[in-house]
Amino acid sequence: DAKTTQPTSMDCAEGRAANLPCNHSTISGNEYVYWYRQIHSQGPQYIIHGLKNNETNEMASLIITEDRKSSTLILPHATLRDTAVYYCIVRVGGYSGGSNYKLTFGKGTLLTVNP
Amino acid sequence: DGGITQSPKYLFRKEGQNVTLSCEQNLNHDAMYWYRQDPGQGLRLIYYSQIVNDFQKGDIAEGYSVSREKKESFPLTVTSAQKNPTAFYLCASSIGFDSNQPQHFGDGTRLSIL
Repeated sequence: DAKTTQPTSMDCAEGRAANLPCNHSTISGNEYVYWYRQIHSQGPQYIIHGLKNNETNEMASLIITEDRKSSTLILPHATLRDTAVYYCIVRVGGYSGGSNYKLTFGKGTLLTVNP
Repeated sequence: DGGITQSPKYLFRKEGQNVTLSCEQNLNHDAMYWYRQDPGQGLRLIYYSQIVNDFQKGDIAEGYSVSREKKESFPLTVTSAQKNPTAFYLCASSIGFDSNQPQHFGDGTRLSIL
């Protein structure tokens, strides 16, 4: 799976949009971008994923650059409950015979939403 | 609401004791997984199951055992052979093992040694 690079921490004001970047310059054509978040002492929560088109769901939007080397997770109206560590993961969609079935989280970005 | 339920939330184990962590899902997912998360570290895969009545060892299976007798249930037993069991245990499931759909997680069980 391709490696990802995320900032260690970010701050955001409550009610404003939070834009979390992720670099994945070695991404392959069959690799998807997944975003999860983990609030302290809770299980990781799936947010969104995409291959090359921008995606939106009830939680967030995912913007993937045309060359697919980076992406941005957007929380449109951040609340205090969005304070968490956010993980960007790149992995093959579907079993490829390797070990892509297991998730591995890097350090992620600690997003702190301030009142 | 569909989801994954892990119980108990907190568990204490005495030396030499086996303990079992419960994981139940009502998402109708075929694949299920057990991960271990240590403080400040990422996820490590203990066991996974592609389908009912099947399971495979992950990267750190020693000292653990599982069963998959029902589609919705994937219990993990931490045996006395696991010498460093203190950790946060996470159960996950996905629609299929070979799908691009994401893994979804329960809220975890925190195991400590008395």
